[in-house]
This record gives sequence, structure tokens and C-alpha cells, in this order.
Amino acid sequence: QQQVKQSPQSLIVQKGGIPIINCAYENTAFDYFPWYQQFPGKGPALLIAIRPDVSEKKEGRFTISFNKSAKQFSLHIMDSQPGDSATYFCAARPYTGAGSYQLTFGKGTKLSVIP
Amino acid sequence: DVKVTQSSRYLVKRTGEKVFLECVQDMDHENMFWYRQDPGLGLRLIYFSYDVKMKEKGDIPEGYSVSREKKERFSLILESASTNQTSMYLCASTPIGVLGSPLHFGNGTRLTVT
Repeated sequence: QQQVKQSPQSLIVQKGGIPIINCAYENTAFDYFPWYQQFPGKGPALLIAIRPDVSEKKEGRFTISFNKSAKQFSLHIMDSQPGDSATYFCAARPYTGAGSYQLTFGKGTKLSVIP
Repeated sequence: DVKVTQSSRYLVKRTGEKVFLECVQDMDHENMFWYRQDPGLGLRLIYFSYDVKMKEKGDIPEGYSVSREKKERFSLILESASTNQTSMYLCASTPIGVLGSPLHFGNGTRLTVT
């Protein structure tokens, strides 16, 4: 059973566009939601993360929106650039306690930003 | 910066061979993980370890085992490699007790089993 559903699988936008990647979770024990960015030939790296006590978190051009009642969260990339072309993974886990070190990942979204 | 080093970037093995994938981290992290990455399937946890000689099964442990004899080193073992184990393997580490600490990944080992 997939516990974190991510869409779309791939996304192509023009430079300056605002790609949006959506994720949904089922496990109510999840209360920490990071996004990882992976460039070709590299391992994933933490991009930005959010906890359910806020509905939005922004770091530079990257914003996470969080809807606790719907159990959904999304990543928005403002003014996207060709250098943002990468695979993005959403993830979820409990913040503390049992299972708090085991991330459950979505299946990934391959983003291509064309000049 | 945390460095997680996977000993091989590419490996080609034959069906039935015993395969060792090695991972070393330099930040004294207690937790170490092995993930498998396949297109359209994302990252799936194979095994993890929270201490020396300790191991826990992840979501897809069948056909794999692990070894953690030293804190900095975590090995993934394919006892008898099969073609369906052709994949990208990613090692990661994170410390215990640091809330919100990210996973630090290596750059992966691409294994082909022929």
C-alpha cells in the first residue's frame, strides 16, 4: 500500500513558469513532510520541509503548501529556471517517536524547465 | 559537510553471484539506510540500522541482507543476485536525537545483473 501518493510523474514548464507538484498521505501519524531534490548522477538532497503547525513555508523560490484536513501538501517553484530541472520527491514520517527515522517517499516527479 | 561514500559507482554482476555494496559515512551518524531507486517506483527502503550490529527490515528486504560491524560502515549483500535486482542503490545516514535532521545520501551504485 502506497502511503504517499505523488503527482504528476513528469512535468515540463517553460522558464519563469510555476511548476506545482502534489502529494497526499494517509497515515495520520505522519507529521513531518520534507521534499528532496535529485540531480542526475547524484543522491537526493533535502530541499525544504514543513510540519503541520503551519500551512505554508517558503525558502527562496520554493514554497510548500500544507492542507492538514485534506492530508495533502504541495511544492511550488516560483520563477523556475533550467537549473531547477531535477527529480523531486515528497516524503513523510512521524517527527518523533516510533518510526521517526523512516521516511516514506512518493514515487517522484521529473521536472524539466525549458529555456 | 556530511559525506556518504558508496564504494562503487557502477557494478556489473552475473546472475547467482554474491554481491557486496559498501557504504561509509564520516559524521558519526547512528542511523544508516539502504534504499533502492527504480523509475516510476521512487525510493524504497530495503534495510536500516540504528546501531552497530543492529538491523531492521524495510519495505522490500527479500533477497537482501545487511552487515554493520562498525558505526561508519553499512554493507548491503545480495546473496544470489538476480536480474530483477538490477537497480540504483542509495545509501543514507542520519543522526539519532536531532529532530528534523535530513537523510544524507550517497551518490548511488548502479547495479546491473546479467
